[in-house]
Amino acid sequence: RKEVEQDPGPFNVPEGATVAFNCTYSNSASQSFFWYRQDCRKEPKLLMSVYSSGNEDGRFTAQLNRASQYISLLIRDSKLSDSATYLCVVRINTGGFKTIFGAGTRLFVKA
Amino acid sequence: DVKVTQSSRYLVKRTGEKVFLECVQDMDHENMFWYRQDPGLGLRLIYFSYDVKMKEKGDIPEGYSVSREKKERFSLILESASTNQTSMYLCASSPSGAKNIQYFGAGTRLSVL
Repeated sequence: RKEVEQDPGPFNVPEGATVAFNCTYSNSASQSFFWYRQDCRKEPKLLMSVYSSGNEDGRFTAQLNRASQYISLLIRDSKLSDSATYLCVVRINTGGFKTIFGAGTRLFVKA
Repeated sequence: DVKVTQSSRYLVKRTGEKVFLECVQDMDHENMFWYRQDPGLGLRLIYFSYDVKMKEKGDIPEGYSVSREKKERFSLILESASTNQTSMYLCASSPSGAKNIQYFGAGTRLSVL
């Protein structure tokens, strides 16, 4: 079983739609959580950190459920420019810190 | 803005060649990383470094080595390139600390023929 699992998609949604991605992690020593965004043929870039109480940044909302070991990303009012791959990232404390990247979920927003 | 620069965007090498991938960061970050990214597998950590002259194996170090002689530079070396090392290689750096957000270079797409 992968340490971080995501639905690979692709998710095809119309502009204006609301779309949600989930990510599950297996290691209970996971301490920090992030969503990164990767555009086609570009490098990953931090989208947002995920806090225990949940957090929002404009149209993006991230949630963490430690009991069930998953994090989610909700995108409201999707724009064409949201088309990208979204990577779930988990940082684990195993004595030293280790960062695990999910394989990503592809999103296509269509006009 | 943090800048992580990889020396080449595209490389084509032959099987058996020695390959050097260079990465430089300008933010005085302690940590540097080398990943490869393949479809369906995501980013897999090859090697990382927490300090000058220090290196640690990641999840898939076989066939690779690294060098960190200066804080800003982290090199990935393929001693004898093989076709299964054809991939996108991404370098990243991060400051020390629990959050450890990583900043990536633009990547090097390596083809080994």
